[in-house]
Amino acid sequence: AQSVTQLGSHVSVSEGALVLLRCNYSSSVPPYLFWYVQYPNQGLQLLLKYTTGATLVKGINGFEAEFKKSETSFHLTKPSAHMSDAAEYFCAVRPSNFGNEKLTFGTGTRLTIIP
Amino acid sequence: GAGVSQSPRYKVAKRGQDVALRCDPISGHVSLFWYQQALGQGPEFLTYFQNEAQLDKSGLPSDRFFAERPEGSVSTLKIQRTQQEDSAVYLCASSRSGVSHEQYFGPGTRLTVT
Repeated sequence: AQSVTQLGSHVSVSEGALVLLRCNYSSSVPPYLFWYVQYPNQGLQLLLKYTTGATLVKGINGFEAEFKKSETSFHLTKPSAHMSDAAEYFCAVRPSNFGNEKLTFGTGTRLTIIP
Repeated sequence: GAGVSQSPRYKVAKRGQDVALRCDPISGHVSLFWYQQALGQGPEFLTYFQNEAQLDKSGLPSDRFFAERPEGSVSTLKIQRTQQEDSAVYLCASSRSGVSHEQYFGPGTRLTVT
């Protein structure tokens, strides 16, 4: 079974400041991990994913995340926030074994950018 | 190329009515998923197809929910005798076959049951 915990349902940062969105997961098998972004009235867009290999993963729009197995974490960061980053962010996990492709999502973090 | 499309984008139904929600996946994508997203929550898995085979329907909340993908492409999620608790955004996603491929999401159908 898998689960995802996103600490902080709302995060506010100033424009130009560091963005840090937290995600911790629980998985009975090695996980694949994802961050998605959702803008109002739109579907989810993939920011980045970790499957195998390098634990520091770079995604679109300057975001990156690091898989830390010992901490069961996959936190999302961006060095300098932009107004266009305001959105809802979801962390998701799925098992890495073949045949089990469903994603389990966290409850989301709404990111607000302060001008 | 075209992404995942869903129709209608918005649906208002009176309690007790049946509704049908359509999903057109990305051409060539083998896997298709349905998720339910309640207001202020993350998406929750409903069901999953690989081609026309429904491999997992463990997330369907009741026997009023039914999904099909008869030709392995377009999928329809049907909800019978809608209830107010069915109000949510229904998201469809598709992906290529394979373990590490990501899911591409459509814009969703917002269902409001009055």
